[in-house]
Amino acid sequence: QVELQQWGAGQLKPSETLSLTCSLFSGSFKGYFWSWVRQPPGKGLEWIGDINESGTTNYNPSLKSRVTMSLDMSKSQFSLNLSSVTAADTAVYFCARSPHSGPFYNVDVWGRGTTVTVSS
Amino acid sequence: QSVLTQPPSVSAAPGQKVTISCSGSTSNIGNNYVSWYQQLPGAAPKLLVYENDKRPSGIPDRFSGSKSGTSATLGISGLQTGDEADYYCGTWDSGLSASFVFGAGTKVTV
Repeated sequence: QVELQQWGAGQLKPSETLSLTCSLFSGSFKGYFWSWVRQPPGKGLEWIGDINESGTTNYNPSLKSRVTMSLDMSKSQFSLNLSSVTAADTAVYFCARSPHSGPFYNVDVWGRGTTVTVSS
Repeated sequence: QSVLTQPPSVSAAPGQKVTISCSGSTSNIGNNYVSWYQQLPGAAPKLLVYENDKRPSGIPDRFSGSKSGTSATLGISGLQTGDEADYYCGTWDSGLSASFVFGAGTKVTV
């Protein structure tokens, strides 16, 4: 049973950097794309981007200037940094796994989510 | 505002069937595979359908997906109270800035 466990700071002030980490328990890290998705309170899902084992990234164009994703293969962990946060970045952030990129893209395993609140 | 259009809500009685539409364009649904997700209240989303009409292991055949042109549909038959949730479609958008996009979601009430 593939499981993703995530953690990170839940309270931020405007202009700070959001940092979240997700760890894979059971299952292979190789051959997949490791994704982040967020959901503002009461709203729908928004794909933030993904990273593969080679470190190649794809980012949502609307967030690209502020997003950095990285991974540590030795620990089976991947991370999300989102800089210069504002109240609009308040959301539940999910880490996830995608078996494919491009036309076959889907998200088949999800973490439980981390609530991040941005407030002064 | 999402590039994929879903109805905000649908409802039906237990045992009945509902369909949820997801409308897009040639840059997304028209040339890429569609997946569907169920999100129960307070929970993470769960993959229901991938590659238009395939179900992951453990997903009952009450859930079905289809695609035609630039639209996709999720069907839920034999509705149960436990099916009350938000449902999202998703697909790759091959436009100028390629990315994965979700629909705005549909609330199913049983």
